[in-house]
Amino acid sequence: EVQLVESGGGLVQPGGSLRLSCAASGFPFSIYGMSWVRQAPGKGLEWVSTIRGGSGDIYYADSVKGRFTISRDNSKNTLHLQMNSLRADDTALYYCTKGPGGVGATQLREDYFDYWGQGTLVTVSS
Amino acid sequence: EIVLTQSPATLSLSPGERVTLSCRASQNIRSYLAWYQQKPGQAPRLLIYDASNRASGIPARFSGSGSGTDFTLSISSLEPEDLAVYYCQQRNTWPRTFGQGTRVEIK
Repeated sequence: EVQLVESGGGLVQPGGSLRLSCAASGFPFSIYGMSWVRQAPGKGLEWVSTIRGGSGDIYYADSVKGRFTISRDNSKNTLHLQMNSLRADDTALYYCTKGPGGVGATQLREDYFDYWGQGTLVTVSS
Repeated sequence: EIVLTQSPATLSLSPGERVTLSCRASQNIRSYLAWYQQKPGQAPRLLIYDASNRASGIPARFSGSGSGTDFTLSISSLEPEDLAVYYCQQRNTWPRTFGQGTRVEIK
């Protein structure tokens, strides 16, 4: 059974930093893409960043480029998101997702966000 | 960036009724569209991928159709547990984008 468990959220002041983590289990982590998707309170879903499995290719939304860094530790089956220069509009529930893609993706559904964690809340406020 | 526009914003129907949700893309995305369901207080879950394929464990009353720029998610007979917000998402290009969501309410 695929499980994704996020941690690291909390209250931080504008301009501050936070590091999110996602512990993954139930699938061969290293060969799948992993992503972060966020949801501001009462709002819709916004893709944040993806790191491919295998190639390690990385993609960012323009809204976070230059401030956020996605990384993965395949030895620990863990995904990270380093968030710097945080702003009030970064306040959101941050979901870790499996996908899209990666060298292990052999089924069409794996080109999407096919599994989601329960999220970790980041609040940026003074 | 591909913009996905969902309509309507909110839909209120009675159990047993047929539901039709729309998602329109700002440019051709072939069949590279997914639908997600987000129930209150829960994480989203994948319903439909590549426009018309049901994900595992999704009831047969859910179906998807369309290609190019116009897509539809249908629920053949609405159940009370279908109360949720439904999002479409494209994988044709980066950045990956979502529609703004359609809220389905039960009368």
